[in-house]
Amino acid sequence: ILNVEQSPQSLHVQEGDSTNFTCSFPSSNFYALHWYRWETAKSPEALFVMTLNGDEKKKGRISATLNTKEGYSYLYIKGSQPEDSATYLCAFYYGNNRLAFGKGNQVVVIP
Amino acid sequence: GAVVSQHPSWVICKSGTSVKIECRSLDFQATTMFWYRQFPKQSLMLMATSNEGSKATYEQGVEKDKFLINHASLTLSTLTVTSAHPEDSSFYICSALPTSGRVQETQYFGPGTRLLVL
Repeated sequence: ILNVEQSPQSLHVQEGDSTNFTCSFPSSNFYALHWYRWETAKSPEALFVMTLNGDEKKKGRISATLNTKEGYSYLYIKGSQPEDSATYLCAFYYGNNRLAFGKGNQVVVIP
Repeated sequence: GAVVSQHPSWVICKSGTSVKIECRSLDFQATTMFWYRQFPKQSLMLMATSNEGSKATYEQGVEKDKFLINHASLTLSTLTVTSAHPEDSSFYICSALPTSGRVQETQYFGPGTRLLVL
């Protein structure tokens, strides 16, 4: 069983504050790590696909880093806004296009 | 672009009946689609990989006769929960991989279907 852990499970952030959370995954046989943003009643939306150790990707105020040797990725939200409220999912690619998901980081931005 | 729809979004059925869920890629072709299930406070769990024109590949512990998958075209996969029971109540969500899919290709998700079996 692949262990993909996300922490913290939920967090409340004041509008304007920055925040970050962690995804840990197996450090062996690494191919790719995916991040998704999932708003209630909508489809999960792809944020990043990360493949190289040391990768850093950015999309607006959201960025992510990757450490494949130690098996973790950080997702950062700079200057949180209410529209950032969502569950952020990470998923570990484990071959044949299959993804193993963590439980998600649920973010609530308080206006 | 890259929109995936699912139908229905909600279904309530009686125990013993079968329920079919459709997953469609609206603006791209998908040789491969995936079906996931999510129980409350748990992660999305892959049930099966659906390949157009061939049999689905099921993950360990998923009953293929219980969860019938058909992928008859490059834009449609269906999941049929046969003889549904209350323990099958869950959130089912599909994703589609564009035909050009590489290792790092994004899967595009539908909005999911919530099934309640009474």
